[in-house]
Amino acid sequence: QVQLVQSGAEVKKPGASVKVSCKASGYTFTSYDINWVRQATGQGLEWMGWMNPNSGNTGYAQKFQGRVTMTRNTSISTAYMELSSLRSEDTAVYYCARDVGTIDAFDIWGQGTMVTVSS
Amino acid sequence: DIQMTQSPSTLSASIGDRITITCRASQSISSWLAWYQQKPGKAPRLLIYKASNLKSGVPSRFSGSGSGTEFTLTINSLQPDDFATYYCQQYNSYSWTFGQGTKVEIK
Repeated sequence: QVQLVQSGAEVKKPGASVKVSCKASGYTFTSYDINWVRQATGQGLEWMGWMNPNSGNTGYAQKFQGRVTMTRNTSISTAYMELSSLRSEDTAVYYCARDVGTIDAFDIWGQGTMVTVSS
Repeated sequence: DIQMTQSPSTLSASIGDRITITCRASQSISSWLAWYQQKPGKAPRLLIYKASNLKSGVPSRFSGSGSGTEFTLTINSLQPDDFATYYCQQYNSYSWTFGQGTKVEIK
């Protein structure tokens, strides 16, 4: 079935970087954009950016410009989101989500990856 | 950036009730609005896309309407499985924004 499977929980120190993976299966990876969304505990959803797995083109929310990098490895149908200069406010669950381009909504989501930033 | 404002933040309702959640955009987004349901510890689930289109497999008691800057999500005959948090999401020029969410609680 169509699914996105993310890497496991991470604990990082302030100032470090984290790289979360998102492996796609059940569909053609390069046919749909991948977006990243995060959610701090008890808070709402925050969109971080998008990546076109075919071209590698990306677009980031202004808040994360300069700190986030989205990449992919098409040979293993996997997208990555790397966030640098981590601070405590980056503690959150990070989700990848598939964008159905014709409707510009996210129809398939990963299970989420908890990233904890703590000294 | 386009801001999305949802209301109410919390809604208390009973099984069988009809409820409506409103989402307002800070500028016109045509019909580029989606609604999601999220339960604790789970990823969001797409319910409605392009303001009024029901995703396949979503119960017909869910419906969406609106265009421009004002949108609504309606749930007819609330079921136990519907108690969750609902988010609207707008799309504009390769940028997405979510509303702050509406938690639907059991009265």
